[in-house]
Amino acid sequence: GENVEQHPSTLSVQEGDSAVIKCTYSDSASNYFPWYKQELGKRPQLIIDIRSNVGEKKDQRIAVTLNKTAKHFSLHITETQPEDSAVYFCAAPQIPGGYNKLIFGAGTRLAVHP
Amino acid sequence: NAGVTQTPKFQVLKTGQSMTLQCAQDMNHNSMYWYRQDPGMGLRLIYYSASEGTTDKGEVPNGYNVSRLNKREFSLRLESAAPSQTSVYFCASSTPTQPQHFGDGTRLSIL
Repeated sequence: GENVEQHPSTLSVQEGDSAVIKCTYSDSASNYFPWYKQELGKRPQLIIDIRSNVGEKKDQRIAVTLNKTAKHFSLHITETQPEDSAVYFCAAPQIPGGYNKLIFGAGTRLAVHP
Repeated sequence: NAGVTQTPKFQVLKTGQSMTLQCAQDMNHNSMYWYRQDPGMGLRLIYYSASEGTTDKGEVPNGYNVSRLNKREFSLRLESAAPSQTSVYFCASSTPTQPQHFGDGTRLSIL
């Protein structure tokens, strides 16, 4: 079955710096990779996702890159702000199962210091 | 538009007690899911329902049962609660090809 590893587990940056979180997956058939942000005590919320037919996707200060050959994908946050502080989770689908059976990484706790 | 609604928000049980966690969505999604979240372990899928009338096991189904009551509602039952089931439980829903939307969670403590 699918295995998703996420690094680092914690990340501390200064406001304005960039942050990068990396995930690796095991199933080469996986074709959809979402990223969720979870603030303390709140629900996980989707911030960006990428499908396997593209290598990069951007949304303002957030971008995700996908390397299918190496089976890893990364979240990039530029010009970080204190409100970016949260736990970030990556996920990949277990095939078969498609979007229904997501396997999540263990999470990265990002702290952005003013 | 409430999205995904979970009840209760908090619950304390004694070992061996039973309870049902309720989840309802108003987005006309076909698929619904139950996850548990433990510190340092991310979200783990307990059960999911790809469509009304079907349910399937996820990563950690032992000790749980589910019921897809109709298209809107998907409940999770603990028949005999154990301290190892202390966790935050999230319900989510989606269409077959779109991202999952989560509820606010139920914080469950089992003494």
